[in-house]
Amino acid sequence: AQSVTQPDIHITVSEGASLELRCNYSYGATPYLFWYVQSPGQGLQLLLKYFSGDTLVQGIKGFEAEFKRSQSSFNLKKPSVHWSDAAEYFCALYGGATNKLIFGTGTLLAVQP
Amino acid sequence: DTAVSQTPKYLVTQMGNDKSIKCEQNLGHDTMYWYKQDSKKFLKIMFSYNNKELIINETVPNRFSPKSPDKAHLNLHINSLELGDSAVYFCASSPNPLGASGEYFGPGTRLTVT
Repeated sequence: AQSVTQPDIHITVSEGASLELRCNYSYGATPYLFWYVQSPGQGLQLLLKYFSGDTLVQGIKGFEAEFKRSQSSFNLKKPSVHWSDAAEYFCALYGGATNKLIFGTGTLLAVQP
Repeated sequence: DTAVSQTPKYLVTQMGNDKSIKCEQNLGHDTMYWYKQDSKKFLKIMFSYNNKELIINETVPNRFSPKSPDKAHLNLHINSLELGDSAVYFCASSPNPLGASGEYFGPGTRLTVT
């Protein structure tokens, strides 16, 4: 079965600190993977996506993610967090057999001054 | 020049009423979606249309009926609203039905049923 797991429901980091949000997936082949961000009261914005090729993917707002097949992971990273990064982050998997995006349960990021 | 827009942004109504949410995209995309986000922020697809044709219809009560008058619009009509329908409903679009390009989301409609 296809699934996406985000183990951390809530993470707090200090402004300027590095960030890593975890995402694990279950899929029989190489999936298409995505990270979305949802600011309070807003819709989802696509941060980055992985299809194939280079396993380190660059996205918008200084985010990057690394695809690790051996660990079935697609963790989101940022070297220095800004207060405006406080939001909910969703990892998603596109499963070709079902033709739909499957979302994780989200990680809420809080940024301390 | 909003890419995916929804109206209304907020909708408060009583149980038993019928309501509609409208969605429009100006991205020229072929595929549009409706998602429901519950109080725990869990996102689940409800419907997907490609060029006005229904291609995904998840296990959703018959009270929910999507309508796509053209490929730029996808509306959601809900009959006999129930308390459990309270959620945020997101419209989204993508260039093609495969979803592999990622989806572009609207700002959401927060529906509250009292």
